[in-house]
Amino acid sequence: DTGVSQDPRHKITKRGQNVTFRCDPISEHNRLYWYRQTLGQGPEFLTYFQNEAQLEKSRLLSDRFSAERPKGSFSTLEIQRTEQGDSAMYLCASSSLAVGPWYEQYFGPGTRLTVT
Amino acid sequence: AQSVTQLGSHVSVSEGALVLLRCNYSSSVPPYLFWYVQYPNQGLQLLLKYTSAATLVKGINGFEAEFKKSETSFHLTKPSAHMSDAAEYFCAVPSFTYGNKLVFGAGTILRVKS
Repeated sequence: DTGVSQDPRHKITKRGQNVTFRCDPISEHNRLYWYRQTLGQGPEFLTYFQNEAQLEKSRLLSDRFSAERPKGSFSTLEIQRTEQGDSAMYLCASSSLAVGPWYEQYFGPGTRLTVT
Repeated sequence: AQSVTQLGSHVSVSEGALVLLRCNYSSSVPPYLFWYVQYPNQGLQLLLKYTSAATLVKGINGFEAEFKKSETSFHLTKPSAHMSDAAEYFCAVPSFTYGNKLVFGAGTILRVKS
């Protein structure tokens, strides 16, 4: 069990550029979550997948954000036309309905995005 | 909607002193509560969880928390602080009303003085 991994760990981009983050969940975890954490705040839910299906999206997820999990394994989160307000830590978590309740989530190290 | 409130955005203790981090939950919260720890530039690590089996929950690194329904509290404690405990701590509750997600408090930064 290698844990949840995220890539890259840090990303600096200029306003208006597109960025894409990747999350690899724990092997065979069928649920995958994305959260956003801004400075001084707790993580806030963005979206989650069960296998390849995206089941819920937060109102925080504007039209510039898109997430995919094409084969039910890794997931990508893309932000188009980045804005300074997108600067945050993006956290990925996974859980397995087969071995425990969905709320027992395991978090990755996060991707810290800085938009200049 | 389920929510948790963490009192005190910053707590400072001396090494060896008692650590007390406060978390209160909304009365509509089902009996599942979590404490997570986040070290600088890292993700969240589960410290302990309450799932109604026992009101006193022991976690990793010597931390424990007590569920008190009468006070709607789930405070995190550790008898003797260590320098390595310096981190940010989050209380969290699962949301069963608006989808499957964890709802987090704003966090408490723990500083340990030598």
